[in-house]
Amino acid sequence: EAQVTQNPRYLITVTGKKLTVTCSQNMNHEYMSWYRQDPGLGLRQIYYSMNVEVTDKGDVPEGYKVSRKEKRNFPLILESPSPNQTSLYFCASSLAIRGLPGEQYFGPGTRLTVT
Amino acid sequence: AQTVTQSQPEMSVQEAETVTLSCTYDTSESNYYLFWYKQPPSRQMILVIRQEAYKQQNATENRFSVNFQKAAKSFSLKISDSQLGDTAMYFCAFMIRRIKAAGNKLTFGGGTRVLVKP
Repeated sequence: EAQVTQNPRYLITVTGKKLTVTCSQNMNHEYMSWYRQDPGLGLRQIYYSMNVEVTDKGDVPEGYKVSRKEKRNFPLILESPSPNQTSLYFCASSLAIRGLPGEQYFGPGTRLTVT
Repeated sequence: AQTVTQSQPEMSVQEAETVTLSCTYDTSESNYYLFWYKQPPSRQMILVIRQEAYKQQNATENRFSVNFQKAAKSFSLKISDSQLGDTAMYFCAFMIRRIKAAGNKLTFGGGTRVLVKP
């Protein structure tokens, strides 16, 4: 089954304790993104990657890091989480069809609470 | 930069009736896609409908249809014959149709919560 998986689905942590949220897709997609969802703001792109070893900042990258060492995986790293990073996080992947956008597939979301 | 605005935070509708959700956007791009996503209580993001800006014809998917007004930069969603399972948050979203545009970034509105009442 074609899917995007995220782990963990729920996480409660404390300020300053480094954490990683994993994302994996089994569709051989080139493009992957991380979004955060906050009430009234919709989803906003944090980082994106257009291929292995190619990553770039989205609209709200502060406090986050990513890596893309393999095509299927795109982990999100919070080196020193703060309460303002409490949010719902989504990973998404998509094909580039002759370089143009294909349909986005979303993971199930990770609910992160930083106390 | 692109912006997407959904002016209705919440709407309610009786089962079997019709509800229309508003969305306006701002962009200087001429070639783009517009989407409506549904987010039920499970939090999964589900694509409802997609419109390509270069197409004049409004997209439809079963009970869901859009009214795309390119000049007015308006993209409303109509849900006909509403069902209890339509209860969800609905997001309008925009994507530039250009090669390598920010990794296929979606720009979302703030969402409209729809409650279908029995």
